[in-house]
Amino acid sequence: GENVEQHPSTLSVQEGDSAVIKCTYSDSASNYFPWYKQELGKRPQLIIDIRSNVGEKKDQRIAVTLNKTAKHFSLHITETQPEDSAVYFCAASKGYSSASKIIFGSGTRLSIRP
Amino acid sequence: EPEVTQTPSHQVTQMGQEVILRCVPISNHLYFYWYRQILGQKVEFLVSFYNNEISEKSEIFDDQFSVERPDGSNFTLKIRSTKLEDSAMYFCASSENRERNEQFFGPGTRLTVL
Repeated sequence: GENVEQHPSTLSVQEGDSAVIKCTYSDSASNYFPWYKQELGKRPQLIIDIRSNVGEKKDQRIAVTLNKTAKHFSLHITETQPEDSAVYFCAASKGYSSASKIIFGSGTRLSIRP
Repeated sequence: EPEVTQTPSHQVTQMGQEVILRCVPISNHLYFYWYRQILGQKVEFLVSFYNNEISEKSEIFDDQFSVERPDGSNFTLKIRSTKLEDSAMYFCASSENRERNEQFFGPGTRLTVL
């Protein structure tokens, strides 16, 4: 069935360093890959997304890459700051079909050490 | 900026009781979703809804669950006879249309079944 694997489950980096979270997906029909940030007790917030016709997308300190052949995608956060501490979820969806569900990865708890 | 809203923020109920969770999606959105997140786990898809009918539902969404759009603004999730394992955070989400599948999440309702 549809599945999204996410690694690592926890990640601790020094403030100012980079963080990388990697995901793989199983359904080759997936073509929309959002990333959500969830702070404790809060809603998942969309931080960046990428579609399958694009290999890379950047928004300030955040970048996502997609390798459709390998069914891999990853999130890169540069110059990490304390407010980046949160749980990050990758996800996959078959966008462009009606009411496409999002399949979430298991999450990465990112901690930024001061 | 418009947001998805949900009520109540926390619901405590006895096992076997019925609960109704309420959501107000973003006003120009056409696709609606319910997800749940058991404490410390990933977000799981329950059901999607478009044009006044269910588009897709997961294995979790059994006969105890139902959804409704009783008027032009509300979207509800009903659990007929709650079980202990229904305890979770329930998130409503909405998206604008099929082409733009960005889903925006509400703040969630924490359901506790005793």
